[in-house]
Amino acid sequence: AQRVTQPEKLLSVFKGAPVELKCNYSYSGSPELFWYVQYSRQRLQLLLRHISRESIKGFTADLNKGETSFHLKKPFAQEEDSAMYYCALNKGSTLGRLYFGRGTQLTVWP
Amino acid sequence: DTGVSQDPRHKITKRGQNVTFRCDPISEHNRLYWYRQTLGQGPEFLTYFQNEAQLEKSRLLSDRFSAERPKGSFSTLEIQRTEQGDSAMYLCASSLVISGYGYTFGSGTRLTVV
Repeated sequence: AQRVTQPEKLLSVFKGAPVELKCNYSYSGSPELFWYVQYSRQRLQLLLRHISRESIKGFTADLNKGETSFHLKKPFAQEEDSAMYYCALNKGSTLGRLYFGRGTQLTVWP
Repeated sequence: DTGVSQDPRHKITKRGQNVTFRCDPISEHNRLYWYRQTLGQGPEFLTYFQNEAQLEKSRLLSDRFSAERPKGSFSTLEIQRTEQGDSAMYLCASSLVISGYGYTFGSGTRLTVV
């Protein structure tokens, strides 16, 4: 069965430090992976999708099918990056049900 | 179009009462999703529609939950005979069918059952 695991519930770094939020998945097919972010008092919003291979707000994520991972990385964290981050998996070639991880709360200290 | 709208933002109800939530998606989006989120957990899938057709419903969803999208535009989620365990944030999202663009979420409806 498909599953998304975010092993860290909480992650704290200092401003300017590199940050990596881990996401592992289990799915036998070819998944589509997303990162969503929720800033304080705001709605969930799409941050990254692996298919686009883009960098948003300095964040990147590479799909590693061998390790079944989709870790989110940023070389220099900023205070405004403090938020809840969710990794999500789509099974099909069209967008349907997403399977979410439990989320990682990132805190960036000044 | 101001995005995905959900109404009400908050709902407090007594156990055993029925509640109904509404979601208005982005007009160009033909898929609409309902999720539930409790503290410390990621969004949990409930059901989704393509236009007016309900394509999938979670097996975890009891018969007390029902959702409709009668004209393929807005959707309603009804919970009958609410229980304290139903207390959660109910999220609505919409999307295109084409993969790769992800969902657009609403702000959610927070339900508290007392």
